Formats: sequence, C-alpha cells, structure tokens
Amino acid sequence: QKEVEQDPGPLSVPEGAIVSLNCTYSNSAFQYFMWYRQYSRKGPELLMYTYSSGNKEDGRFTAQVDKSSKYISLFIRDSQPSDSATYLCAMGGGVGGGFKTIFGAGTRLFVKA
Amino acid sequence: NAGVTQTPKFRILKIGQSMTLQCTQDMNHNYMYWYRQDPGMGLKLIYYSVGAGITDKGEVPNGYNVSRSTTEDFPLRLELAAPSQTSVYFCASSRTSGGISTDTQYFGPGTRLTVL
Repeated sequence: QKEVEQDPGPLSVPEGAIVSLNCTYSNSAFQYFMWYRQYSRKGPELLMYTYSSGNKEDGRFTAQVDKSSKYISLFIRDSQPSDSATYLCAMGGGVGGGFKTIFGAGTRLFVKA
Repeated sequence: NAGVTQTPKFRILKIGQSMTLQCTQDMNHNYMYWYRQDPGMGLKLIYYSVGAGITDKGEVPNGYNVSRSTTEDFPLRLELAAPSQTSVYFCASSRTSGGISTDTQYFGPGTRLTVL
C-alpha cells in the first residue's frame, strides 16, 4: 500500500466551478499536511499548510484534514483558468513519520474558460 | 532573494557520461533536498542534507552522490548516467524539518535531464 494515494486525473471543470481534490494516506503518525501547486515546467510552490486535523481557509482555497479517516482535501471555489495546474498533496512529521515529507503523485486540473 | 536556483535547465547525456546538477539557495536554510519527478509518480527523495557537511540518503539514492560544503550549495552528481535517470530533478530547501515547526519546502525551477 502506498503511503499516499492521489488520483492523477486529469480533472476538467468549467470556470466558476467548485473543485475538490483529495488524498488518502496510511501513516497515522503524519502531523502536518500541505498542498503544493505546480504549473507546467515549474517547481512546486506551497499553497496551503495545515497542522493536525481541521480546516484552513485562504481566499478561494480551503484545506481539510480528517485524521480519523486519513483523508485530506483541497477545495477551490470560483475556479479560474489560472488555477489550471497540478496539485500535489504532501504530509510528514510526527513520531514514526520522521522528518521526511511524502508527496502524492499529483492531480492535473484544467479549468476551461 | 532569488530563492532556490538550479542549473542547467536542460541537459541531454549519453549513457555512461557524468554530470553535476547545481543548486543554490540564498535563504540561509539549513535543510536541503534533491527530488526526482517522473510522470505519474510524484516526487521521490534522492538525498537530503541537514546542514553543511551532513548528508543522508533518501528513497532513491542509487546512481547519485551529493556533497554539502556550504549552507548555500547542494550539488547532485550523476555518475555513469543510465536511461532510468531520465527525469526532472528538483532541489528544495527548508528552514526547519518536521515536528511542530513548519516544514515548508521551497523548490527550484528544476532540471530536465534526458539520458540517451
């Protein structure tokens, strides 16, 4: 079983739609959870960071962590063509999780104008 | 701040050749990392360093070597290049690692390597 599972997509939505991106993980020791956005031919950049369970909102983006289900989500409201990118979930930390960050394979998102 | 810079941007190698991928960060970060990214496979950690003079293997270290003589630089050496090393290589750095502190990693723009 992979430590992190993420649907690679691609996911295609019309402009203005609500987008839901998800990851599941197997290591219950993970304590911090992140979403990175990667535009084509660029390096990943941090989009959202959450420590432990709960929700975090930043503008049109909301990150949710459900540690009981080992499930994390990223919601994008009012999606824009500029949101078209690959979104990678990442997690790590905590006893047994060491310091290394584990990345999902990424979900490709296309937002059509 | 330039952040994390990588050179070269692109490179084609023949099987058996060697090369060094350069990585420099100007954020005074103590942790630095090398990843490779293959299509549909996510980022795989090759090597990491927790400070000058200290390096350790990641998930996929075979065929690579690293050194860290300064805080700023973390070069990745490929010896005897093989087609399996065709990939996009990303260098990253972070201020701290794990625990309660943020582990935000800042990535460079990547080096696209093809081994023929």
